[in-house]
Amino acid sequence: NAGVTQTPKFQVLKTGQSMTLQCAQDMNHNSMYWYRQDPGMGLRLIYYSASEGTTDKGEVPNGYNVSRLNKREFSLRLESAAPSQTSVYFCASSEVFSGSAGNTIYFGEGSWLTVV
Amino acid sequence: KNEVEQSPQNLTAQEGEFITINCSYSVGISALHWLQQHPGGGIVSLFMLSSGKKKHGRLIATINIQEKHSSLHITASHPRDSAVYICAVGKGTDKLIFGTGTRLQVFP
Repeated sequence: NAGVTQTPKFQVLKTGQSMTLQCAQDMNHNSMYWYRQDPGMGLRLIYYSASEGTTDKGEVPNGYNVSRLNKREFSLRLESAAPSQTSVYFCASSEVFSGSAGNTIYFGEGSWLTVV
Repeated sequence: KNEVEQSPQNLTAQEGEFITINCSYSVGISALHWLQQHPGGGIVSLFMLSSGKKKHGRLIATINIQEKHSSLHITASHPRDSAVYICAVGKGTDKLIFGTGTRLQVFP
């Protein structure tokens, strides 16, 4: 049981290039998330998909787009990468979109992205 | 002021020591989550609490809703406990709010 799988693990981009981070979960979860993690800051929500067919902006959506391809897959696209998007990106999933007890959130291993 | 504050930011310990990591929050919540992030980067959920205390192996998590405070304790610490411990709070259907983490290093 793989849980949440995200690719690539590491990527270096030049400013202005585009790329897509892929994420898939095999737990039949309804909700999926993309976070970024920067030094000295907590995880910040970029976009989320509360259920298949829906996507919504989180705290820091500018410069990103997402696609909930199906129940399993949720991709994050950087259309024109900027140095400010250098970060570690985490995909996550949970049964429902909720911070409440009983709703465990499962994270991928992270993707290290550097924009030069 | 951040809505979720963790202390200390960094913590070093000798193997076998009892460790406490604190989390204070300023918002009303329905649950508090403790997460562990290993040096390789992966994040795993340790506990979810809405009241009282939970124990899993050498890890104990407590929460005081009135004081808006939670603690994560590690008994008989071991070098493999070295990680970043992250506190996150949630309310109902709202998104989780994360603390900045406590970096723990346990030396043999």
